Amino acid sequence: DIQMTQSPSSLSASVGDRVTITCRASQSISSYLNWYQQKPGKAPKLLIYAASSLQSGVPSKFSGSGSGTDFTLTISSLQPEDFATYYCQESYSTPFTFGPGTKVDIK
Amino acid sequence: QVQLQESGPGLVKPSQTLSLTCTVSGGSISSGSYYWSWIRQPAGKGLEWIGRIYTSGSTNYNPSLKSRVTISVDTSKNQFSLKLSSVTAADTAVYYCARGNPPGYWGQGTLVTVSS
Repeated sequence: DIQMTQSPSSLSASVGDRVTITCRASQSISSYLNWYQQKPGKAPKLLIYAASSLQSGVPSKFSGSGSGTDFTLTISSLQPEDFATYYCQESYSTPFTFGPGTKVDIK
Repeated sequence: QVQLQESGPGLVKPSQTLSLTCTVSGGSISSGSYYWSWIRQPAGKGLEWIGRIYTSGSTNYNPSLKSRVTISVDTSKNQFSLKLSSVTAADTAVYYCARGNPPGYWGQGTLVTVSS
């Protein structure tokens, strides 16, 4: 199985900050990398697929980049509604492993 | 707008079979070319992909669960289902159904507790 790691595991940020989350795969997954946002008690929401493609309806403040083993999710200007946990997921091969998550909270 | 809704027992005894159904509304489960997936999340923990079924009926399962999992589709009811056998406390989680590859539409999730 492909192992996924994320860093940091948590971060504190202020409204308006630019935030970057990193995801690393244990082997090359090309661009088969997705990003989700999850708020407490809610289902995950797909933000980015294929490493850098913005899911329909997702604001452009979210962007993704990377290929191979290293990927990043960037939130250009953090807003109150963005405080949540963010997960990456590889979709290169089953079992489509998720990263452990990065919790973004208010500084 | 497609919507998904999980349903099933919230409490299952150890060694029994967990059975959940996902009802799809806003579109036919047999139209288009979609993957229909199950994903779970233990309380306070991360997400685990369980498996998926394609519109054609082909399935993929997480190898760690493969011997216990069955995912099937009932087109007459516009539903797909998850069966997980021989459950233990480690199977206690919120179970989500979802559509797409990657999943862009999710149900709200249903908590299943394994306890005697």
